[in-house]
Amino acid sequence: LAKTTQPISMDSYEGQEVNITCSHNNIATNDYITWYQQFPSQGPRFIIQGYKTKVTNEVASLFIPADRKSSTLSLPRVSLSDTAVYYCLVRGSARQLTFGSGTQLTVLP
Amino acid sequence: DAGITQSPRHKVTETGTPVTLRCHQTENHRYMYWYRQDPGHGLRLIHYSYGVKDTDKGEVSDGYSVSRSKTEDFLLTLESATSSQTSVYFCAISEGGRTTYEQYFGPGTRLTVT
Repeated sequence: LAKTTQPISMDSYEGQEVNITCSHNNIATNDYITWYQQFPSQGPRFIIQGYKTKVTNEVASLFIPADRKSSTLSLPRVSLSDTAVYYCLVRGSARQLTFGSGTQLTVLP
Repeated sequence: DAGITQSPRHKVTETGTPVTLRCHQTENHRYMYWYRQDPGHGLRLIHYSYGVKDTDKGEVSDGYSVSRSKTEDFLLTLESATSSQTSVYFCAISEGGRTTYEQYFGPGTRLTVT
């Protein structure tokens, strides 16, 4: 089971781009990388997932280098409402669901 | 938002009493999950189901049992609640297959065991 390592916390200012990096050195061949966002007193919300290279959707981009041992979630032009905990998950089956402690992102005015 | 409801939303119970939490979905998704979340921690998987009457243990299954007799309902039972089971419990659903990684979470149940 691939273990993930993320920074405990990050601060940013409104309008800036934020990059959160996740390390997953023992990722397996069939593992996908998934990111979730969680606000206080709510369940997590799916943001993005990918396997390799770059994936982009309407809220974020996910960059995965060729060796897949890390990944970077990029949030463009953050606002105060992006303050949340962000979780990186690496999983290859329904059972491998380990969220870890996540990264607390605080967006400052 | 995905149609997931959890009941009750809040519960206070005494040590040693049985407790059942209910998760109900209207999406007809195959997979259902129960997680717990404790202060300062991420979510930890308790049990999950991949179909009616098909369940399996997760990372922290001791002291919990589950049942799924209908596609739409997934029940989590604490046979004899302990103070260490005080937590916020989240139910989640997913379609399975390539989209298994995308899960939709319910609003959570805050359980306090005194």
